[in-house]
Amino acid sequence: QKEVEQDPGPLSVPEGAIVSLNCTYSNSAFQYFMWYRQYSRKGPELLMYTYSSGNKEDGRFTAQVDKSSKYISLFIRDSQPSDSATYLCAMSATGNTGKLIFGQGTTLQVKP
Amino acid sequence: ETGVTQTPRHLVMGMTNKKSLKCEQHLGHNAMYWYKQSAKKPLELMFVYSLEERVENNSVPSRFSPECPNSSHLFLHLHTLQPEDSALYLCASSQDMGQGNSPLHFGNGTRLTVT
Repeated sequence: QKEVEQDPGPLSVPEGAIVSLNCTYSNSAFQYFMWYRQYSRKGPELLMYTYSSGNKEDGRFTAQVDKSSKYISLFIRDSQPSDSATYLCAMSATGNTGKLIFGQGTTLQVKP
Repeated sequence: ETGVTQTPRHLVMGMTNKKSLKCEQHLGHNAMYWYKQSAKKPLELMFVYSLEERVENNSVPSRFSPECPNSSHLFLHLHTLQPEDSALYLCASSQDMGQGNSPLHFGNGTRLTVT
């Protein structure tokens, strides 16, 4: 079993839709959770960071962590064509950046 | 200038060639990383340097050899590669390693094709 599971998609939605991206994990020690966005032919960039459980909101983006279910989500409201990218979840137990475990990424396409 | 710059952007090499990938960060960070990104696979951490000392080597074959001459520069020397080594090689940096909120800043990668 992989430590972090992420559906690779692709996920295609119409502009304006609410998008839900998810990762499940097996290591109950994970406490630091991140979402990275990677545009085509670019490197990943940090989108959201959450420590432990709960929600975090930043504009149209909301990150949720449910440690009891070992499940994290990224919601995108009012999705735009510019949101078309691959979204990578990443997590670690200790906060050591050298111990980040990544999901394989979900490719999202938002159609105008 | 972007924060993390990688050269070349694309590289095609034969299995007997020797080449090097270069990474430079302009962010004043103390830690630098090499990742391998293959299609439909998670990012694989290859090497980590903190304050110019290698702190992680994740069972990477010896045909990949990293070098960190100073805190701003990182190289990945390649020799006798295999076709399965074809991938996107990403360099990243972070302020340090120990803080959970010290994000990775990635370059745009070198797309390597081994023929």
